[in-house]
Amino acid sequence: NAGVMQNPRHLVRRRGQEARLRCSPMKGHSHVYWYRQLPEEGLKFMVYLQKENIIDESGMPKERFSAEFPKEGPSILRIQQVVRGDSAAYFCASSPTPTGELFFGEGSRLTVL
Amino acid sequence: SQQGEEDPQALSIQEGENATMNCSYKTSINNLQWYRQNSGRGLVHLILIRSNEREKHSGRLRVTLDTSKKSSSLLITASRAADTASYFCATAVNDYKLSFGAGTTVTVRA
Repeated sequence: NAGVMQNPRHLVRRRGQEARLRCSPMKGHSHVYWYRQLPEEGLKFMVYLQKENIIDESGMPKERFSAEFPKEGPSILRIQQVVRGDSAAYFCASSPTPTGELFFGEGSRLTVL
Repeated sequence: SQQGEEDPQALSIQEGENATMNCSYKTSINNLQWYRQNSGRGLVHLILIRSNEREKHSGRLRVTLDTSKKSSSLLITASRAADTASYFCATAVNDYKLSFGAGTTVTVRA
């Protein structure tokens, strides 16, 4: 039973480019969450999605960031026109229900040059 | 702002010793969870304690929760080198949104 799969694990972008991060939840999990972690800090909630629906995007910057979880395929976190401050580890998690423990992927580490 | 704050920030112990770390939070919670993160890896869930529970055990882990003091503690008994990691508490204010602290970095010396 594969865990939460994230790719790419590492991504380097120049300022102004787009970053696209993908997350495949665990089998049977329909709830997906994205968190961001800056060095030496805890994780910060960004967005919570169910299939084809954004439930809560209160932690996501209003501009340049978007997320989706289509009916088919992985969840995507998209960052347009990246800036150096976007450099961070982005973690995806999934769960079978909206309460209880989260199952995390290994993260995607974005570096903006 | 962060809901949970871990204390201490860092902890260094000898193999076989116990490690205790604390978490304080600010608002009422549904549950509190502890996670472990090895360097460069994702988070692994350790234990969940609900707001109506006071203590929970899982193997060498013991978690307590004091809702009157808005605090929790994680005890790792008989530590091993493999316990070297960062430990985070996460509070669930509503059903799905977890608020993480900055973590306690534990180093277990052989």
